[in-house]
Amino acid sequence: NAGVTQTPKFQVLKTGQSMTLQCAQDMNHEYMSWYRQDPGMGLRLIHYSVGAGITDQGEVPNGYNVSRSTTEDFPLRLLSAAPSQTSVYFCASSLPQGAYNEQFFGPGTRLTVL
Amino acid sequence: AQTVTQSQPEMSVQEAETVTLSCTYDTSESNYYLFWYKQPPSRQMILVIRQEAYKQQNATENRFSVNFQKAAKSFSLKISDSQLGDTAMYFCASGRRGKLTFGQGTILTVHP
Repeated sequence: NAGVTQTPKFQVLKTGQSMTLQCAQDMNHEYMSWYRQDPGMGLRLIHYSVGAGITDQGEVPNGYNVSRSTTEDFPLRLLSAAPSQTSVYFCASSLPQGAYNEQFFGPGTRLTVL
Repeated sequence: AQTVTQSQPEMSVQEAETVTLSCTYDTSESNYYLFWYKQPPSRQMILVIRQEAYKQQNATENRFSVNFQKAAKSFSLKISDSQLGDTAMYFCASGRRGKLTFGQGTILTVHP
């Protein structure tokens, strides 16, 4: 089991560029989520999904798109990057029942927008 | 909306001593979970301990235990016999169904 994997680990973008942060899990988890971590603010939920084909917005969704075509993958798209999106991004997955809804986190992607 | 507040930005403790990290939360959910996560410099998020809100008994995991006061919406973490490897950022979180709300974090430094 690789757990939750994220690519890339680091990325530098110029303002206005687009990119996709990849997230995959091999634990057959139904729930998947994207968070961003900024200094002094903890982690904040961007988007989440309770299953393939179902997504919803979290606390800070503006500027980000997601889709969930398979159980395993949950990519996060930045359509037009802005300096305010400089952050560390974490993907997480969990089962709907049991294990106290524990979320398993990927290693994170550090994104810098110039 | 849910909120989680950690009022201690930084804490320090001597090796082998005990330290308590504070967390308060607010939620409109009737069924929810509470978590403490550890984030070392590697940036990996590691689950330390978890608590189901409907369970009155406080959770324990080896040297880690919680004091869960549901009426006061308080969920503090006690680390006993602190070790150098406990040095990290600690986050309190509340939620369920793939949606967690995190506190701002507490940086814990364990001194030899």
